[in-house]
Amino acid sequence: GENVEQHPSTLSVQEGDSAVIKCTYSDSASNYFPWYKQELGKGPQLIIDIRSNVGEKKDQRIAVTLNKTAKHFSLHITETQPEDSAVYFCAASLPSGGSYIPTFGRGTSLIVHP
Amino acid sequence: DGGITQSPKYLFRKEGQNVTLSCEQNLNHDAMYWYRQDPGQGLRLIYYSQIVNDFQKGDIAEGYSVSREKKESFPLTVTSAQKNPTAFYLCASSISYGTHEQYFGPGTRLTVT
Repeated sequence: GENVEQHPSTLSVQEGDSAVIKCTYSDSASNYFPWYKQELGKGPQLIIDIRSNVGEKKDQRIAVTLNKTAKHFSLHITETQPEDSAVYFCAASLPSGGSYIPTFGRGTSLIVHP
Repeated sequence: DGGITQSPKYLFRKEGQNVTLSCEQNLNHDAMYWYRQDPGQGLRLIYYSQIVNDFQKGDIAEGYSVSREKKESFPLTVTSAQKNPTAFYLCASSISYGTHEQYFGPGTRLTVT
């Protein structure tokens, strides 16, 4: 099966700084890498995703990069704002018999100080 | 509004009792999932269902049971056999079997004493 490692577990930044969260995966057959944001007491929400045929994807202040050779992918948040404070999860999705059940990292608690 | 609802938000039970967590979606999604979330552990898959009347065990199915009698509903029963049931439970759905993106409900926090 797939194994996803996520670092750091906690990240504290000042408003306006950039934040980077990194994940590695173990199975080179994984081909879909979503990032979820979970606010306190709520369910995770997809914020950006990338597929294995793409190296980088951007959506306003958020970007994700993928290095298939090294089997790692990263989330970049620029110009952080207090409302970016949340727990962020990466995941890697391994096609298995037609199903794409993701394996999640353990999460990064991002704290943005005003 | 389309979405996934989970009820109740907070649930308290005595040890030894079975408890059923509700998950309903009106997104017309075929696939539904149950995850357990513990502090520092990420999301771990309990059960998933690709289509009505079918479901598969996930990584931590022991002590849990599910049913999928209707497309919209995927209830999870936490049985007395689950050794450490206190956790935050998340339900999710996706458009179809083989679709990547998952949509999550707001979760149910279960406390067993």
